[in-house]
This record gives sequence, structure tokens and C-alpha cells, in this order.
Amino acid sequence: GAVVSQHPSRVICKSGTSVKIECRSLDFQATTMFWYRQFPKQSLMLMATSNEGSKATYEQGVEKDKFLINHASLTLSTLTVTSAHPEDSSFYICSAQMVHEQFFGPGTRLTVL
Amino acid sequence: AQSVTQLDSHVSVSEGTPVLLRCNYSSSYSPSLFWYVQHPNKGLQLLLKYTSAATLVKGINGFEAEFKKSETSFHLTKPSAHMSDAAEYFCVVSDPRDDKIIFGKGTRLHILP
Repeated sequence: GAVVSQHPSRVICKSGTSVKIECRSLDFQATTMFWYRQFPKQSLMLMATSNEGSKATYEQGVEKDKFLINHASLTLSTLTVTSAHPEDSSFYICSAQMVHEQFFGPGTRLTVL
Repeated sequence: AQSVTQLDSHVSVSEGTPVLLRCNYSSSYSPSLFWYVQHPNKGLQLLLKYTSAATLVKGINGFEAEFKKSETSFHLTKPSAHMSDAAEYFCVVSDPRDDKIIFGKGTRLHILP
């Protein structure tokens, strides 16, 4: 089956620093990847759609300058949380699309102190 | 516009008894529908999907769901609950125009010994 990995799985950082999260499709190429955010005991909310070779499309209310997305290759998309603050602490999940199905990564838990 | 409603935020059943997790959807197009399971601090795992083929869909771990267009429902069932089924379950609808997916708010399934 299609496998998506995320790195790191868990990160703790100080307020004001930037954190990069990688999402990789391990055995398939994905022109489209998605980034989600999940607050504790909440559903997933789509943050942005990442398209290989073009700018990401952000959902309403998501700051594009704060959540930088780069999809430089068909197997890698990165999400950088810039100048992170405690309110950015969350579970971030990516998915990679193959045909019309999305395959999810295991998630990255970000804790900002 | 598409939407998905999970009618119960929490469901508790005894081990060995049937499971029913309810999901209703709204879509202007022929939707694809999915059920995902998320164990604590884990990523999402696809249980089953409906993509306009058979209306009764069988998934992993003994789960199945029936697509009922007249009722706009896609309820998840399992004949006999197991302790390992305790998790959060998400019903998801996919927009066929752009493959964006919308998550329900989730149902936490508790299994009583």
C-alpha cells in the first residue's frame, strides 16, 4: 500500500523559533499533498493544499506567511511554522494524494514552550 | 457545498456487542465517502471507502458501512466490538471536483469490558 512518512514525529521548541515538518510519499509520486491541523479532541482542519512546482493554496484563516509550504519534488512537501508561539502547539498531519485517494502520514506533534 | 455530520461525539458499547457509528452527509455531487480510525497519538488509518460501486462496503477489522442515498447516510457498523476498537472514528466526504476532503467532528468509541 501507499506509505506516507512525516518527520519529526514529535518536536518541542521555544517560542519565536521556526520548525520544519517534512512529509514524504515513500513509494509513489504525489503531485498534490495536503496539510491538516488537529487540536486536542477536535477534528482535522485542512490548512492548505500543496502542489508540486507551484504555490500552495491556503484555506481561509490560515496565515500563509506563518505556515510556509514548499513542495519541491513529487515525493516531498515541507511545512515550516515560522516564529512559533504556544497557540501553534498542535498535531499536524499531512496527506499525499494518489488518484482520488489520500494517504495520511502519522502526524507531528508540535509543542511550543 | 459539502458537509458531513457525525451524530454522536461519544459512543459506548460493551465488548462483544454491535457497534453503530452514525454519519450523514450533504453533497451536490456524487461523493466519495470514507471512514478513518485514529488511535491515541497515532495517524489516521483508512477503514473503508465508498466510491460509487457497491453500496455495502466492507473494510478492515470487521467493519462495514452502507451508503444510503435516500437517507444521505453512511453509517459504520461492526457485529461484535473488541477492546482494540476503542479509538476516534472520522467520517469523511470527498469533493470529486478537487479531491478536497471534509472531516466530520469525530466519534469517540469506548469499549466496556
